[in-house]
Parts: sequence; structure tokens; C-alpha cells
Amino acid sequence: ETGVTQSPTHLIKTRGQQVTLRCSSQSGHNTVSWYQQALGQGPQFIFQYYREEENGRGNFPPRFSGLQFPNYSSELNVNALELDDSALYLCASSLELNPRRDTEAFFGQGTRLTVV
Amino acid sequence: KQEVTQIPAALSVPEGENLVLNCSFTDSAIYNLQWFRQDPGKGLTSLLLIQSSQREQTSGRLNASLDKSSGRSTLYIAASQPGDSATYLCAVRPHNAGNMLTFGGGTRLMVKP
Repeated sequence: ETGVTQSPTHLIKTRGQQVTLRCSSQSGHNTVSWYQQALGQGPQFIFQYYREEENGRGNFPPRFSGLQFPNYSSELNVNALELDDSALYLCASSLELNPRRDTEAFFGQGTRLTVV
Repeated sequence: KQEVTQIPAALSVPEGENLVLNCSFTDSAIYNLQWFRQDPGKGLTSLLLIQSSQREQTSGRLNASLDKSSGRSTLYIAASQPGDSATYLCAVRPHNAGNMLTFGGGTRLMVKP
């Protein structure tokens, strides 16, 4: 167990709807990152939050947005869902003291989103 | 742009074999490299973290090496067991990318009894 929890575990949404996924980071961690993993592929970086501010973003459109709260938990929001958004969404937490060397990322179990 | 490649994409071996999984990356400017295990439909479990200044890390039957200058890492699994069946992913943390990880596509391992 990594101490990173995600909810819900599974979700089915209709194209065009909006969805919110949640992540509780490991105790003591101050950084949360979100990844999208399509079936049979490696995870792709969506964005990262550090101390409640976005400080890195991958190649995802603005309809992917997020929040980080004072307790370092986080939300991923996706608007105007498309069929291609169907994927496993993974949250990772880490402690950013010295990100350039020994920061280790710990992942949650993921949320499986299906868009129909 | 950093790219990470894992070969082979899939591997099937009989129980007891020693095996090597390969990971290559195009830009050697990395802070560290991490190996993960993923069971079907599940999240990622961190196996080993190798800092850029290190050459290898060991945990039980697992040994990971890093040759940063050539852009390669290998994960060695000794005496494989059916319980080792999973997808193994490597990821690098590039310079100037915060805590972002760049992943390979994974190697899907099946260990047959």
C-alpha cells in the first residue's frame, strides 16, 4: 500500500459530460501529479500541483484542469468528455524537497473512466 | 523531447528462469530512473529507484542497472515465479521538468508454472 488513494475506482460517463476524479496524497507529501494511461500504453503526464499551484503540464487541452487543496489532496476535472478520454487515470504523490535527485513517486490504484 | 522505449513489449518464460527487461531513453539529462510493476487494471507499484549518480539498485530478486551515458537501464529478475507476471514500466525524470515522469510503453511479462 502506497498511502495514495483515489476515488472513485470506476466511472462511466456520457460523451460531453464533465467528470471529477479525486486523489489523497501520501502523508507528508506536498506534490501531486496526474497521468492518463490508455489501454496497452505507458502513462502520459497530464499536470502537476505543488503547494496548490500548477507547476507543470503535459500535452493535454485546457478542458483538463485540476486543483490541489491545503491538505495536498487533489482533483482532476475533465470537461466536454470525448470517447478518447476513456483511460485509467493515475495520481502520484511525492515530497518535493529536492526533485532533481531522489524524489520517488508513489501511485494510487487509479480511476478507470469509460466514456460512452 | 525525452522518449523512453522498452524492449521486448511482451515476454513469456517458464518458471525459474532469470530474465532481463530493457529500457532505453534518448536524453541522458535525467535526475533518476524508476522501475514500476503494474498488475492488470491496477495502479503502479514502485520497485526500484536509481539516482542519476548511481549504477545499480537491488531489492530481493530484483536488480536494476543504469548506464546514463548510453541511455540504458535493465531490470534483472532472478528465479522468476508465476507471481512475477505483470507489466513492468520504466520511467525517467528529465531535467527541467519538475516531478514529471516520462514512461516507456512497458514490458508485459508472463511466467508460466
